[in-house]
This record gives sequence, C-alpha cells and structure tokens, in this order.
Amino acid sequence: DVKVTQSSRYLVKRTGEKVFLECVQDMDHENMFWYRQDPGLGLRLIYFSYDVKMKEKGDIPEGYSVSREKKERFSLILESASTNQTSMYLCASSLPGMNTEAFFGQGTRLTVV
Amino acid sequence: AQTVTQSQPEMSVQEAETVTLSCTYDTSESDYYLFWYKQPPSRQMILVIRQEAYKQQNATENRFSVNFQKAAKSFSLKISDSQLGDAAMYFCAYKSRDDKIIFGKGTRLHILP
Repeated sequence: DVKVTQSSRYLVKRTGEKVFLECVQDMDHENMFWYRQDPGLGLRLIYFSYDVKMKEKGDIPEGYSVSREKKERFSLILESASTNQTSMYLCASSLPGMNTEAFFGQGTRLTVV
Repeated sequence: AQTVTQSQPEMSVQEAETVTLSCTYDTSESDYYLFWYKQPPSRQMILVIRQEAYKQQNATENRFSVNFQKAAKSFSLKISDSQLGDAAMYFCAYKSRDDKIIFGKGTRLHILP
C-alpha cells in the first residue's frame, strides 16, 4: 500500500523557533511537494522537489526552506516561526509526468504561539 | 501563470441526488491534465478522477464523471447517487509539463440524509 507519512499530526511551536516538518514516502517517487492549506485559500504550493537535492520555489516560499538529501525524505523548514505560519501543512509525492496522481500525507497542523 | 478557480465554497445535496461542482482554469498551454481530489474530514486527500486535455471523451469513474469543455476552460465534477461518504472538501487541480500541481480553493460538499 502506497504511503506518505508526515512525522507529526499536531505541533505547537513558539514564535522565533526553527521548525522542521518531515515527510517520508515509500513509493520511490521522484517528485515531492509541500503545500500549505488554509480555509478559503485552498492548497498553495510552498516548494517542489523533482529529485534528490533539486528544488523549485512554489507560490509562497517566503519564510520557508526545504531539504531533500534522500529520495524518500523531504523536509520543510521554518527558519524562524511566526504566527502567520500557523496552518495545515500537506506533503505529497508523485512520479514524474502530467498524468500521474499525487499521494498525500495526513497533514501536520502547526500552531505558532 | 496558470490558475484554477472554484466558485462554490460550499454546496449541499440530498442523499441519492446528483450534484455538480464547478471548476474553471486559465492556461496558455495546450497539453495538460486536470484532476479532482477529495479530502474527507480528518482524512488524507485522494484522487477522484483525472482528464487529459487532448481527450474529448469525458472521464468517468463509477458515480463520478466530469464535463470537460476545453474551449471554455471548464472542468466540472458530477456526483451521481450521492452518498454520506461523499461528504468532503473537493479540490480541482491542474498539472502540465513542469509537474507542479495547482489547486483551486476547494468546495465543501455536505450530504443531507
């Protein structure tokens, strides 16, 4: 069974902390994504990785960075968490190609206080 | 830049009835795929149906079908014989050669017993 696993379901962090959100997939997918989901705004792409050590900025990369040292793992880093980064974060993976389906993790609900 | 618009933030339908969710998109590309994803409450996002832009025939998956109008850049989802388990957020998505997935803001579907 296909799996994308996010390390935490819920996280509470303090303003200014460095935060790591981890995502692991077991499908040998080249592509991995980080999205932010907010009510009324849908899913917005933060970063996209199409291979190990390769990344592209999405629509809202400010305040975030990513790391992909191994094919199965894609980390989202909040360098200095702020309250406006309180959100649901979704990780996804897919094979290359327009027709391929994305598989999603269960999401991490991050609260920055 | 490509955009995806879902103009209905919420919809309700009586159990066993048919409902149509709307989606429009904007792109200058000729080859792409369109998707509908479903996000049940507190559960992972899953693929419902996909459509290739070059195929004139509308995709169908059991009770789910699409009405794809390429010239109008419209991609609506029809759910027939609605069931309680269909209650979810539905996201329309677009994907082209760069493999990035662009989502709409979503439509929350309520099923009335």
